[in-house]
Amino acid sequence: EVQLEESGGGLVQPGGSLRLSCAASGFTVRTNYMSWVRQAPGKGPEWVSGLYSDGTTYYPDSVKGRFTISRDNSKNTLYLQMNSLRAGDTAIYYCATLRSYGGKQAFDSWGQGTVVTVSS
Amino acid sequence: DIQMTQSPSTLSASVGDRVTITCRASQSISTWLAWYQQKPGKAPKILIYKASSLQSGVPSRFSGSGSGTEFTLTISSLQPDDFATYYCQQYNSYWTFGQGTKVEIK
Repeated sequence: EVQLEESGGGLVQPGGSLRLSCAASGFTVRTNYMSWVRQAPGKGPEWVSGLYSDGTTYYPDSVKGRFTISRDNSKNTLYLQMNSLRAGDTAIYYCATLRSYGGKQAFDSWGQGTVVTVSS
Repeated sequence: DIQMTQSPSTLSASVGDRVTITCRASQSISTWLAWYQQKPGKAPKILIYKASSLQSGVPSRFSGSGSGTEFTLTISSLQPDDFATYYCQQYNSYWTFGQGTKVEIK
């Protein structure tokens, strides 16, 4: 059974940094497409990073240059390093697997999320 | 960037009602569209993919249609477990979600 468990969220001041972790079980992170998705209070989800099995990374403009997605194969864990945080980054952060749905990748399994609050 | 717009934002309905939610893409996405259901405190769960394909295990009262820029999610007979928020999401070019439609009890 696929399981994803996020950790590392918390309260951080504007301009600060935080590293989120996503421990995976039931599958191998290295051979799968992985992503981070966030959801601000009362808003729809927003994709914030993607990591393909070949190591290619993808980011939307809203976080490019500030967020970095990575993985530790030995720990079967996905990470999201977040720098220069802003109030608008406040959200629940989910890690999610991507799998082919009809020929292109869509979000499949999700963790329970970790809360990030950016405030002074 | 592809923008997704859903309507309505909130929908009040009763058990047994037929419910339709509309989603519009800012440019053509062919049929690369998914529908997700989210309940409070939980992560989204995929219901429909490629605009009209039902995910395994999802009740057949859920159906999707559309292509290009206009899509619909229909629940043929609303059940108590269906009161939730629904999101459309394009996966033609990266991934973008709509703002959501909350289905509440009338």
